[in-house]
Amino acid sequence: EAGVAQSPRYKIIEKRQSVAFWCNPISGHATLYWYQQILGQGPKLLIQFQNNGVVDDSQLPKDRFSAERLKGVDSTLKIQPAKLEDSAVYLCASSPLRGASSYEQYFGPGTRLTVT
Amino acid sequence: QQQVKQSPQSLIVQKGGISIINCAYENTAFDYFPWYQQFPGKGPALLIAIRPDVSEKKEGRFTISFNKSAKQFSLHIMDSQPGDSATYFCAAGYTGGFKTIFGAGTRLFVKA
Repeated sequence: EAGVAQSPRYKIIEKRQSVAFWCNPISGHATLYWYQQILGQGPKLLIQFQNNGVVDDSQLPKDRFSAERLKGVDSTLKIQPAKLEDSAVYLCASSPLRGASSYEQYFGPGTRLTVT
Repeated sequence: QQQVKQSPQSLIVQKGGISIINCAYENTAFDYFPWYQQFPGKGPALLIAIRPDVSEKKEGRFTISFNKSAKQFSLHIMDSQPGDSATYFCAAGYTGGFKTIFGAGTRLFVKA
């Protein structure tokens, strides 16, 4: 079974530029999460989708961050404009909708963003 | 009320020793307590998880101890190996899959 795929793996941009990250979850997983992991901290949930609907985006800085999951499969997270404090690893995770493992999250390798 | 406090920040253990990482939570509504292991350059991977209706769960060398009244849980790694050197995160969440809160992480180094 293929894992969660993310691209790019690394990105360096200047502040005020825009950037987009892509995630393809495990096939059949209805729930998709985007997390921000600042160096030395635990992952912080930004947004959670169930199929193509948003379940929780309470911690997403909506003035600069946006995310979509148009067909209920892959997802894009965008930052526009970026700030220095956005430097972090952006992790995507997915989980199945039902069953004993419905709350087990499977993480991708992450995208390391550096804002200069 | 949504915080999960994890300690220590870092831990050095001799090969063959026991590694112990502790976590405390505040929200009694949490009903799912997983531990994740993260190697450099990789995403976190689920290691072991426990529900609050049991006080202990063991999988191989990894054991979770859970104290519901104290709102604390801990990870014990028996016979620690250099390959266990990684960052460990505790988390608390809901079996509905919503709002999993992660601790700040513990960087474990096992000396050969």
